Amino acid sequence: LAKTTQPISMDSYEGQEVNITCSHNNIATNDYITWYQQFPSQGPRFIIQGYKTKVTNEVASLFIPADRKSSTLSLPRVSLSDTAVYYCLVGALLMDSSYKLIFGSGTRLLVRP
Amino acid sequence: DTAVSQTPKYLVTQMGNDKSIKCEQNLGHDTMYWYKQDSKKFLKIMFSYNNKELIINETVPNRFSPKSPDKAHLNLHINSLELGDSAVYFCASSPQGRGVTEAFFGQGTRLTVV
Repeated sequence: LAKTTQPISMDSYEGQEVNITCSHNNIATNDYITWYQQFPSQGPRFIIQGYKTKVTNEVASLFIPADRKSSTLSLPRVSLSDTAVYYCLVGALLMDSSYKLIFGSGTRLLVRP
Repeated sequence: DTAVSQTPKYLVTQMGNDKSIKCEQNLGHDTMYWYKQDSKKFLKIMFSYNNKELIINETVPNRFSPKSPDKAHLNLHINSLELGDSAVYFCASSPQGRGVTEAFFGQGTRLTVV
């Protein structure tokens, strides 16, 4: 199963764009890349998912290079409420078509005023 | 209208006791999970059920026994609780299907064993 590596923490200021990069050198052909956000005392929340190139939704963008060995979550114009832990996951497709989500250590993002 | 709900939210108990945590999802998902988050915030999968069948059983002590009476419920029973069982336990669910990795998590149950 692919393992992910991401920075332990990052600091930013309100209004800035934040890019969090995750490496997953052993990603398999079937694996999707998914990012989750977790606030204190809450369960993780799905942010975005992609397989290759670029994916954008109302919250974030996900950039995945051609070799898929890394990915970058981009949060445009962060606010104080974006302070959270961000997890990069590589899903492992199982035989029954369900997914096993492998969480890494996460990146603790602190947004300052 | 909570999608994935767990009860109780907090649980304080003594070593050696048996306790249960309940989980229900109203999303119509086929797959449900239990995750454990320790004090260092690492989230580890414990169990996964797909349509009431056990799919994943990580190296979890057999004191932990999941039970799925129907595909909307996945309860976790823990026997002979130990200090090291103190953690936050998250229930989650996801739809089945290739390429779908969006899981919905409950609010967590903070278990403290004293």
